[in-house]
Amino acid sequence: EAEVAQSPRYKITEKSQAVAFWCDPISGHATLYWYRQILGQGPELLVQFQDESVVDDSQLPKDRFSAERLKGVDSTLKIQPAELGDSAMYLCASSQSNPEKLFFGSGTQLSVL
Amino acid sequence: GESVGLHLPTLSVQEGDNSIINCAYSNSASDYFIWYKQESGKGPQFIIDIRSNMDKRQGQRVTVLLNKTVKHLSLQIAATQPGDSAVYFCAENMGSNTGKLIFGQGTTLQVKP
Repeated sequence: EAEVAQSPRYKITEKSQAVAFWCDPISGHATLYWYRQILGQGPELLVQFQDESVVDDSQLPKDRFSAERLKGVDSTLKIQPAELGDSAMYLCASSQSNPEKLFFGSGTQLSVL
Repeated sequence: GESVGLHLPTLSVQEGDNSIINCAYSNSASDYFIWYKQESGKGPQFIIDIRSNMDKRQGQRVTVLLNKTVKHLSLQIAATQPGDSAVYFCAENMGSNTGKLIFGQGTTLQVKP
């Protein structure tokens, strides 16, 4: 069964450093999402792409976070500089052009020290 | 603001019993709802979904009930098994057809052998 691939699985960094996460959605899925999940809470949307275009980034802290999906396939989420409060699970999800059922990857667990 | 919530943070059931996990939503414009299961260290896994023009939908061992009058959603798991132990999230699509899902806080299901 096709899956959403994410890497790295874990990332430990010091505050003020830059970090990057990568996501490869299920083949053919035009819509890609980045969610952040703080321990004990539900995922919260950071950014949504339709092909290579950003559809919704209203919850993305743009002073330090950036996301791109240059060729409309895989995507990168970057944080620079990282802060202690950024420690969380970063989840990537994708869906077909009918944007309802989202398929999630295993996530990147970020720890900022 | 709009939110999706669950009534109980933790539910403990005996193996073989039926489980019922509840969720309240506040956005009357939401037209699509999903239940996800999340095991420790993994991304959310799709369980079952339901559109607002339905009030019940059944899957394998799971049933979702939607009561639009009181804005209530429930997930019923028949013959609960140890492998069902996880955190369960309900999520609503806000009706904008963008695919943006709003997640609740989650209910931890513990299955006692």
